[in-house]
Amino acid sequence: GDSVTQMEGPVTLSEEAFLTINCTYTATGYPSLFWYVQYPGEGLQLLLKATKADDKGSNKGFEATYRKETTSFHLEKGSVQVSDSAVYFCALSDSSGNTPLVFGKGTRLSVIA
Amino acid sequence: ETGVTQSPTHLIKTRGQQVTLRCSSQSGHNTVSWYQQALGQGPQFIFQYYREEENGRGNFPPRFSGLQFPNYSSELNVNALELDDSALYLCASPSTGGGFTDTQYFGPGTRLTVL
Repeated sequence: GDSVTQMEGPVTLSEEAFLTINCTYTATGYPSLFWYVQYPGEGLQLLLKATKADDKGSNKGFEATYRKETTSFHLEKGSVQVSDSAVYFCALSDSSGNTPLVFGKGTRLSVIA
Repeated sequence: ETGVTQSPTHLIKTRGQQVTLRCSSQSGHNTVSWYQQALGQGPQFIFQYYREEENGRGNFPPRFSGLQFPNYSSELNVNALELDDSALYLCASPSTGGGFTDTQYFGPGTRLTVL
């Protein structure tokens, strides 16, 4: 079945550092790919998404590019802030739109001033 | 603000009891999904309701059941609670009336603790 693998956390960075969180997936066909963020004590919020190969999703300084050849959707940000501290989840849904979201285990990011 | 609300925020139950969790969506879409997020894990799909009928289920036993009402609010019921049912329960509603490729808006969740 479909699956998502994320890099293990926690990740601790200093403010203004560069962030990469790796995500790879296994799926048949051409899934849609998502990054969700969960701030402490809150539910999930969609951060960005991409629905086809070579698409780049971006939001709030975060970016991720749908790489079909490497089945990857790595999350990047050029300069993190303390307010970016949260848990980040990579997820996919198949292209039919009829299967539920499949999530990775999440990567906890802590940014220190 | 996602427009999806859940209640209660926290709940403590003992093993063997039954629990009902609630969800409502301002969007009024006729699809709602429920997920279980165990500590340190990603959310796992429990089931989806579409127009008041169950329309897909993940790998969860029948003691997990749900209801969807004409006003698009929804309930998740869990019978015979087990310790492993302790988790954050999330409901989600799509941004449009479409399927899972639409943006899913999640509620803040209900934290269930089973003692």
